[in-house]
Amino acid sequence: GAVVSQHPSWVICKSGTSVKIECRSLDFQATTMFWYRQFPKQSLMLMATSNEGSKATYEQGVEKDKFLINHASLTLSTLTVTSAHPEDSSFYICSAGERDIYIDEQFFGPGTRLTVL
Amino acid sequence: QKEVEQDPGPLSVPEGAIVSLNCTYSNSAFQYFMWYRQYSRKGPELLMYTYSSGNKEDGRFTAQVDKSSKYISLFIRDSQPSDSATYLCAMSGKTSGSRLTFGEGTQLTVNP
Repeated sequence: GAVVSQHPSWVICKSGTSVKIECRSLDFQATTMFWYRQFPKQSLMLMATSNEGSKATYEQGVEKDKFLINHASLTLSTLTVTSAHPEDSSFYICSAGERDIYIDEQFFGPGTRLTVL
Repeated sequence: QKEVEQDPGPLSVPEGAIVSLNCTYSNSAFQYFMWYRQYSRKGPELLMYTYSSGNKEDGRFTAQVDKSSKYISLFIRDSQPSDSATYLCAMSGKTSGSRLTFGEGTQLTVNP
């Protein structure tokens, strides 16, 4: 299957700072990327859908000014958590879609663990 | 009511057992059904996907879909300790850039 990378794999920051997380599709072009967050022992919660060259579509309840998403190319999307607070501490996972014969398969990155002190 | 219901477990079985994992859904628009495996502190890994009612087999894994009952299952035969992970069902409604709706995930432990 296709490979998706995320960087960094973990980050610790102080409250009030901004953190940028990168998501890259390494061996395919992804017109659509998705950003999720996952709390311990819970499922993935979709935050936003990102299409290359256009504004991201945010899910209800997700603050678009706090979670800035940029999808500048077919292989790179970034999520910036602005003015991070301890409640933003979570596991952030991206996925990239690749067209299969039947469906757009989603391939997930390894995730980024964010801890805000 | 959640669109997708999945028993979170935890489920603990002895090595070699047959494992049955299940999800129910309420949205008739779901057409594509997937099972993901997620190891601790890792991203989900796609195990299988299917889009029609019936069974689909891949090695020790069998995915089953019953659209009339809005019920899907994943069976794992001859379970191994390496199968210990969280299993997530996911569904989508259309083919183009489709968003996935996940179940809560079932935590499985296979004991040697």
